[in-house]
Amino acid sequence: DTGVSQDPRHKITKRGQNVTFRCDPISEHNRLYWYRQTLGQGPEFLTYFQNEAQLEKSRLLSDRFSAERPKGSFSTLEIQRTEQGDSAMYLCASSSAGGRETQYFGPGTRLLVL
Amino acid sequence: KNEVEQSPQNLTAQEGEFITINCSYSVGISALHWLQQHPGGGIVSLFMLSSGKKKHGRLIATINIQEKHSSLHITASHPRDSAVYICAVRWRGSNYKLTFGKGTLLTVNP
Repeated sequence: DTGVSQDPRHKITKRGQNVTFRCDPISEHNRLYWYRQTLGQGPEFLTYFQNEAQLEKSRLLSDRFSAERPKGSFSTLEIQRTEQGDSAMYLCASSSAGGRETQYFGPGTRLLVL
Repeated sequence: KNEVEQSPQNLTAQEGEFITINCSYSVGISALHWLQQHPGGGIVSLFMLSSGKKKHGRLIATINIQEKHSSLHITASHPRDSAVYICAVRWRGSNYKLTFGKGTLLTVNP
């Protein structure tokens, strides 16, 4: 399967712990996006990479959040000192360059902070 | 504030019924997406459109740019169509960021 993959699929952690999620985009896609989705809501944009460059970060992404895409391929999203309000589904998507490309979504990582 | 509104929030139908889900947005867009999300989280892109109408199998998506409105229709609905359907827009002037509606939970009973 050459779709977008995310790891882990589920994560339960205690408040105050750090967590890291990984996203592997479709191999030829140079654009990568992170979204967060809470229960009953649509996804919200967190950040966007074009190749290895992080071109935009939402104000939703507090200082406790950091995302990287070191070689322009996979990406990681780290949350430090997790809070209960961080509990959500974290979705990754990728797309190819171009004016009107479709974004392909991964299965998401569901985070529960106790 | 740029907003995307979907209606209804919840929709229950009997198998075979014709389904319509609506999406309205506040300002000009360059593209609108309809997405499907099944329990467990995975999102699948159904359509991307900027004008007119697109059809894929039993699914039809239409958009009226002047009225800032789009509809997703499902003909001959089936229980496997049960999912959350999400409308997302790319605002004019943005070439990547999507703003999503809250989604419509569709349940099709046999």
